[in-house]
Amino acid sequence: GQQLNQSPQSMFIQEGEDVSMNCTSSSIFNTWLWYKQDPGEGPVLLIALYKAGELTSNGRLTAQFGITRKDSFLNISASIPSDVGIYFCAGLYYGNNRLAFGKGNQVVVIP
Amino acid sequence: GAGVSQSPRYKVAKRGQDVALRCDPISGHVSLFWYQQALGQGPEFLTYFQNEAQLDKSGLPSDRFFAERPEGSVSTLKIQRTQQEDSAVYLCASSISTGTGGFWSNQPQHFGDGTRLSIL
Repeated sequence: GQQLNQSPQSMFIQEGEDVSMNCTSSSIFNTWLWYKQDPGEGPVLLIALYKAGELTSNGRLTAQFGITRKDSFLNISASIPSDVGIYFCAGLYYGNNRLAFGKGNQVVVIP
Repeated sequence: GAGVSQSPRYKVAKRGQDVALRCDPISGHVSLFWYQQALGQGPEFLTYFQNEAQLDKSGLPSDRFFAERPEGSVSTLKIQRTQQEDSAVYLCASSISTGTGGFWSNQPQHFGDGTRLSIL
């Protein structure tokens, strides 16, 4: 199946710092999605990207759809304790409805 | 509520038993998906419905797994003769996407909180 690689796997950051995470794929996607998952809950959609090169913000979150359509990044600015969780990237190919997920980035915010 | 609802939240079964997991999608969402999430991994696709039609079941790991959505709304994922390797969180997602192309294709999928299945 399609493989999405997320790096780094886990990050420990100081409250107030910015954090960036990356997602790459060997396949081209038409849609990139970023989700956050807290323990015992389902993934919650953070940002959706539909066009190569697109840069989209949602509050302190910024994500970009790579120009090659094979990568995306997510940036969190001025982190706060509730940013703790696992962040997943997911790709969707036009006409194929199944989401392909990465393994996730674990973010830990140190107060 | 307005979100995707799954029940039960937790299910413990003995190996060999059959289980049924329920998903109630967001009202009006055409598409419904089932994913399996193993510990420490991202969700893996199992199957996809558009209304009552099961259009893709290529992710189902064996013929012990069966899903249905008879009226195009609520869906049930059934696992027969459960095995220990079936232990995982089963996530349901729904989307307004019709999959027919254009803007309404590839709309985001919204997830429920999952059913955590443990097979003893």
